Amino acid sequence: GAVVSQHPSRVICKSGTSVKIECRSLDFQATTMFWYRQFPKQSLMLMATSNEGSKATYEQGVEKDKFLINHASLTLSTLTVTSAHPEDSSFYICSSNRDPYGYTFGSGTRLTVV
Amino acid sequence: AQSVTQLGSHVSVSEGALVLLRCNYSSSVPPYLFWYVQYPNQGLQLLLKYTSAATLVKGINGFEAEFKKSETSFHLTKPSAHMSDAAEYFCACCSGNTPLVFGKGTRLSVIA
Repeated sequence: GAVVSQHPSRVICKSGTSVKIECRSLDFQATTMFWYRQFPKQSLMLMATSNEGSKATYEQGVEKDKFLINHASLTLSTLTVTSAHPEDSSFYICSSNRDPYGYTFGSGTRLTVV
Repeated sequence: AQSVTQLGSHVSVSEGALVLLRCNYSSSVPPYLFWYVQYPNQGLQLLLKYTSAATLVKGINGFEAEFKKSETSFHLTKPSAHMSDAAEYFCACCSGNTPLVFGKGTRLSVIA
């Protein structure tokens, strides 16, 4: 199979603090990881694409200095929300594509900033 | 550019009735198409996918979808709805190692 483990599943943080979300590929090497954000009752919107060993590519309108992505190994990609504010509260999901299994998704992280 | 349109943000059916969730796509290359289901506060679960083989694709939980190139559609169906089918459904496209493009989602309610 192709399993992506995402942690934590739920986090509450104070405004101004930083939160790190991890996605690990458990049984394959994920050279590319996609990071999505989903606001309530909305669809998944791509934030950025991370590639192992290189800088992430951010979608238009996503602040790269606020959403730090690190993909230092083939099995771990992290998203750090820096100086979080209530408007950053959302559901964050990572995804990777592994032939022949196709796209696989993490279980998501519910971030609440208070 | 690739895009996915899901018609109807909310569909309500009676238990035992036919489920039909609509999806149309736009792609300049032959697409791969996917249907995912999402339960509250959970990630996405793949229901089925079309990857240029058979146009009628059978998935899990009794769902199936038919790829119709002439209509650029990939509608999801299930003959008989169960209460456990109530969830959010997303259609997605497209291919290769590019990120999936998602439709806006359709919330399915099943009435007893």
